[in-house]
Amino acid sequence: DAGVIQSPRHEVTEMGQEVTLRCKPISGHDYLFWYRQTMMRGLELLIYFNNNVPIDDSGMPEDRFSAKMPNASFSTLKIQPSEPRDSAVYFCASSFYRGHEAFFGQGTRLTVV
Amino acid sequence: EDQVTQSPEALRLQEGESSSLNCSYTVSGLRGLFWYRQDPGKGPEFLFTLYSAGEEKEKERLKATLTKKESFLHITAPKPEDSATYLCAVQFTGGGNKLTFGTGTQLKVEL
Repeated sequence: DAGVIQSPRHEVTEMGQEVTLRCKPISGHDYLFWYRQTMMRGLELLIYFNNNVPIDDSGMPEDRFSAKMPNASFSTLKIQPSEPRDSAVYFCASSFYRGHEAFFGQGTRLTVV
Repeated sequence: EDQVTQSPEALRLQEGESSSLNCSYTVSGLRGLFWYRQDPGKGPEFLFTLYSAGEEKEKERLKATLTKKESFLHITAPKPEDSATYLCAVQFTGGGNKLTFGTGTQLKVEL
C-alpha cells in the first residue's frame, strides 16, 4: 500500500478564496482523521470519521471549515473563505480500528496571503 | 482538563550520548499512549503504543516506558539519523478515538 495520500502538497492562495484539501486513506482502514499543525499550537485534531460518518468535529475552528467523506477511499477538507490565520500544515491520518495507531500522510502546507 | 506535556522542548546530544525524553499526562482515564517520530516536511511516523503502567516497548535504540503519570522515551547510544521531533499522544476514556498530542521534543544528535 502507498500509505495515506494527500494532495496538494503545497497550496498558496489569497485571502477569501476557497481551498480544498484531499486525502486518500489506507485501504481497509475505517477511521480517518484531519489534523492541523502550527508552531504555536502543535498538532490539533479537527475532525474524525468512522466508516465515512463524522464522529467528532469539535476541533473544527469555525463554520468556514467543512469536511466530507463520500466513500471509504476519499475525504476532503474545505475552507471557505480562507484567512491568513488558516496558514498551517494539514495532515490526514487513517487507522485500522478503534484504539489502533494512526498512519499519517505527508501533509498539505497551506499558505493564505 | 486532559493535558499532555513533553520535556525538554529541545535536546542536543553527542553521538553515543544516551538520554531520555519525558511525556507527562493528566487524563481522566488513559486508553493508550503513543509515540511518534516526525522528520522535517513529513508526517508523524508511528513508533510505539503503551496501554498500561509498567509496560515497555523497544525498537532499535529506542525504548518506551509507561507509569501512571508519565512516559519516557529512552534513546541509547543515539546516531545522527535519530535526529527528529518526537511526539507523544494519548487516547483517553470518553475521548473516542481522538489522539491528543504534546508539542514534541526536537532532538538533534551531532557527530
